[in-house]
Amino acid sequence: EAQVTQNPRYLITVTGKKLTVTCSQNMNHEYMSWYRQDPGLGLRQIYYSMNVEVTDKGDVPEGYKVSRKEKRNFPLILESPSPNQTSLYFCASSLTGAEAFFGQGTRLTVV
Amino acid sequence: SQQGEEDPQALSIQEGENATMNCSYKTSINNLQWYRQNSGRGLVHLILIRSNEREKHSGRLRVTLDTSKKSSSLLITASRAADTASYFCASWGAQKLVFGQGTRLTINP
Repeated sequence: EAQVTQNPRYLITVTGKKLTVTCSQNMNHEYMSWYRQDPGLGLRQIYYSMNVEVTDKGDVPEGYKVSRKEKRNFPLILESPSPNQTSLYFCASSLTGAEAFFGQGTRLTVV
Repeated sequence: SQQGEEDPQALSIQEGENATMNCSYKTSINNLQWYRQNSGRGLVHLILIRSNEREKHSGRLRVTLDTSKKSSSLLITASRAADTASYFCASWGAQKLVFGQGTRLTINP
C-alpha cells in the first residue's frame, strides 16, 4: 500500500530536549516536505527536499533541521524544542509537480 | 509566504445544498490541486486541474480554473454531512508545493 508514515503520532516533551520525528514513504517520490499546522495559520512549510542530499528552507525553518540521506526517509529534527514549536506536524511526499501524499500527522507538545 | 488565498475562511450550509470555495494564487502554475482534511488528520488529494484546463469533474466535485484571474473554485454538489472538513488549494511554485489557508466547511443535517 502506498503510504507516508510518520512517527510518533503524539509526543509530549520538555523544552530543550532534542527530538526527531521520522517520515518514510514507499512510493519512490523525489519530493518530500514538512509542514506545521496551527489554528488560524493554515499549513506552513518548514523544509522541503527535491531529492537525496537536496534540502531547502520553507517559510518557517527556524528551530528545525532536516536531512535526506535516503530517498525514502526525511526526518525532522528539533535540536532544542521550545513551547512555540507545539503544533501539528505533517510530512508529505510526491513526484515533482504532482499530487502529494500526506502522513497522518504528529501532534507535538513542548512544555 | 503562502501562494494561495482561500475564500471564504468558513462556510456553513444545509445538507443537500451546494458548497463553493474559491482560491486565488500569485504566480504562474502548471497545475492547481485541491485537498481535503478531516479534523486533525492528514490531507487527502481530491482533484488536480492542469493550467491548460478550464474545468474538471470528479463525482460530486467540480473544479474550475481561470489562469487570467489566477483563481480556481471548488464546487461540491448535493452536500452531505460527511463532507464536513477543511478544504485546501495548493499549487507548485518555485519548486515547492504551497497551500492556501483553507476553507472550513460545515454541513448541517
